[in-house]
Amino acid sequence: DSGVTQTPKHLITATGQRVTLRCSPRSGDLSVYWYQQSLDQGLQFLIQYYNGEERAKGNILERFSAQQFPDLHSELNLSSLELGDSALYFCASSVGASKETQYFGPGTRLLVL
Amino acid sequence: DQQVKQNSPSLSVQEGRISILNCDYTNSMFDYFLWYKKYPAEGPTFLISISSIKDKNEDGRFTVFLNKSAKHLSLHIVPSQPGDSAVYFCAASGNNQGGKLIFGQGTELSVKP
Repeated sequence: DSGVTQTPKHLITATGQRVTLRCSPRSGDLSVYWYQQSLDQGLQFLIQYYNGEERAKGNILERFSAQQFPDLHSELNLSSLELGDSALYFCASSVGASKETQYFGPGTRLLVL
Repeated sequence: DQQVKQNSPSLSVQEGRISILNCDYTNSMFDYFLWYKKYPAEGPTFLISISSIKDKNEDGRFTVFLNKSAKHLSLHIVPSQPGDSAVYFCAASGNNQGGKLIFGQGTELSVKP
């Protein structure tokens, strides 16, 4: 158990809908990261927040947004969902902002029908 | 453009022997590298890391070697155990990228009893 929690574990929804994925980092960690793992793309970095502020951004679609709250938990919002958004979404956390070991949660499996 | 490459999708090794997993990178700005292990339906689990100021780091049965001139790193597992069977990912991070990790596509290791 990494100490990073993600909810829900599974999510099934329809195209065009909006969903919110939630992540709680390990106690004491200030950074939260979001990654997407699809079958053909491997693990792709989406975005990082450090102590409530956006720190780094990857190839995150405009339909996706994230935030980190004062209690350091984070939410990833996915809107206007398409079939291709079906993937595993992982959250990770670390103490600092860069060159740190990231500890991953168990992931949320999203299926868009 | 795949900046981190794991050219072997799979590797099969006999129990007790050495497993060697390889990873190549193209971006000379990468200076921190990590290996993760992943079981199906779970998040990646951190194994070992190395900074570019070192060429070797050891932790129990796991050793990571870094060859900066060749832009190559490898993970050695000695002795290999059936419980090591999983997908192994290498990841890289560099300056001015926050905590963003770039992952390879993974190598599936199978350790036969």
